[in-house]
This record gives sequence, C-alpha cells and structure tokens, in this order.
Amino acid sequence: DIQMTQSPSTLSASVGDRVTITCRASQSISSWLAWYQQKPGKAPKLLIYKASTLESGVPSRFSGSGSGTEFTLTISSLQPDDFATYYCQQYNSYSKTFGQGTKVEIK
Amino acid sequence: QVQLVESGGGVVQPGRSLRLSCAASGFTFSSYTMHWVRQAPGKGLEWVAVISYDGSTKFYADSMKGRFTISRDNSKNTLHLQMNSLRVEDTAVYYCAREGREARPNDYWGQGTLVTVSS
Repeated sequence: DIQMTQSPSTLSASVGDRVTITCRASQSISSWLAWYQQKPGKAPKLLIYKASTLESGVPSRFSGSGSGTEFTLTISSLQPDDFATYYCQQYNSYSKTFGQGTKVEIK
Repeated sequence: QVQLVESGGGVVQPGRSLRLSCAASGFTFSSYTMHWVRQAPGKGLEWVAVISYDGSTKFYADSMKGRFTISRDNSKNTLHLQMNSLRVEDTAVYYCAREGREARPNDYWGQGTLVTVSS
C-alpha cells in the first residue's frame, strides 16, 4: 500500500498568515492527490484534486502543488473559517490512503 | 441536490456483525463508483472499500479484507457495507462517499453513522 505522510501534525497560525502543509507519498502517485478540509463533527470537504485543481466553490486562497511524491497545500491568507483539520489522499491506486491529518489551530 | 444518508450504526459486541446502508439521491446513483471511509474517535480518515458503478469490481483495505463486504442495489439507490467479526478497533464513524467525475476522488460525503464495538 502507498503510505502518505503529512507534516506538520499541528500548526498554530494567526488570521492573515500564509500556511503551508506538506504531504509525501511513499512512491510516485503522479498528480493523483486530493486535499480535504474537515471540521469537528462534519464530513470532509473536497478542496483540491489532481494535486492543483480547485474544487468548484472553494476560495482561491487555497492552492495545491506538487507531483510524484511531494505535495503542498497552501492557504495564502488564513481566515477564521479555515481553522480545521486538513487531509491529503492519494488515489493513484485502488487503495486510496489518507495522510494522518494536519490540525490548523488559532495561535 | 446530491444527498448521501448513512444508517445502520449502533453498539455491537466484538465478534458480531452489522450492516450499514447509504441511501443516495439527487444524482444517477447507478453511474457512480462509491466508497466507504471511516474515522475512529479523535483519529484520522481511513479508506475502507470501493465498488464500481455496476458492482462488478470491489476493493478493500487490507485490514478489512475478508471481514467486510461492500455491495450496492442500483434499483434502490443504496450502498451497503456488511461488517462481520467486528473488533473493538472497528469503532468509528463510517462515511459513504461518491467518487466524482473528471478525476475528482470523493466529491460528496454523507454525514456518517457511528459504529461502536464494545462488550
């Protein structure tokens, strides 16, 4: 199975900060990488797919980049609604593994 | 609008079975691949299983292989997950999720149903 490793596990930031989360795959997954946002008690929400394509309705302050084994999610200017947990997911193989998550907390 | 509503969760003893369902509406269910994903309390997301649009192809996470069975009834717009030989570590919220078009992985999710395995 392909393993996905996110860093950091927790991130403390302030409103307006630029935030970057990294996701590494244990083997190349081309661009088959998605990012989700999850808030407590809610289902995950798709933000970005195919590494860099923004899902419809998602604010443009979110962006994704990378290919192969290393990927990043960037929030250009953190907003109060963005405090949540973020997960990467590879879908290169039939087993669609997630990273362990990055919690973005208020500093 | 797209809706996915899970049901069937509850408290069950270790070794017993449980069947989850996911009722789909607002889209042509029979045209979409569907997934189950779970989340243990306070933990991250774990992919469980996938079934193709017509039910002909199924894959499972290694830890669930042989114990869980994914199925679908396209005539009733319903996805199922049969869980046998349940373990304490299967305690989680179980989500059904649609696999989207044009390279979208899971674009719509249900609200989840909680399964608690405890003696």
